[in-house]
Amino acid sequence: EDKVVQSPLSLVVHEGDTVTLNCSYEVTNFRSLLWYKQEKKAPTFLFMLTSSGIEKKSGRLSSILDKKELFSILNITATQTGDSAVYLCAVDYTGTASKLTFGTGTRLQVTL
Amino acid sequence: NAGVTQTPKFQVLKTGQSMTLQCAQDMNHNSMYWYRQDPGMGLRLIYYSASEGTTDKGEVPNGYNVSRLNKREFSLRLESAAPSQTSVYFCASSVTHPTRLSYNEQFFGPGTRLTVL
Repeated sequence: EDKVVQSPLSLVVHEGDTVTLNCSYEVTNFRSLLWYKQEKKAPTFLFMLTSSGIEKKSGRLSSILDKKELFSILNITATQTGDSAVYLCAVDYTGTASKLTFGTGTRLQVTL
Repeated sequence: NAGVTQTPKFQVLKTGQSMTLQCAQDMNHNSMYWYRQDPGMGLRLIYYSASEGTTDKGEVPNGYNVSRLNKREFSLRLESAAPSQTSVYFCASSVTHPTRLSYNEQFFGPGTRLTVL
């Protein structure tokens, strides 16, 4: 059975801290891994990772994939209160459509 | 462009009632999806449509039906609602290219919060 596991389930940090969110997966016919940010509405896309060892960066956020060990991390440096959200990891596996299996998410709260 | 739109935003049903959730996208995407999101469960795929004219079951299809009306629209129907179908429902769409994986990002609608009493 395909599985995506995220850790921690939740964490609270102070503004300015650096956080690392984890995502491990077991899926057949892996195609790519995606990170989404969800505030009180629809998930919004952050990154798509397809190759091991290549870091994707966007401002203070970065992510990397390890296809041998079957995991990915999402780093957020110098956190801000606006980073407070649920971060979702999803894995796309091959087929006629881009079918995603999601993890349960990590709830991040950034306090002043 | 509006992206992915969903109607209604909120709905309360009684057990046994039926209803249809509507979804439309204006991005000319091939594929469309319906997910449900429950507390502590993440998003789970209900049904998807790889292309116009095709639909397939996802992880949790029981109690639902779908129609891909045309390339833009994909509806989800609850024939006889049950309290276990209380959830937030998201529609999504994607281009879906077999080799250009960067095209396969899914774009989500704002969601429908459904309560079944």
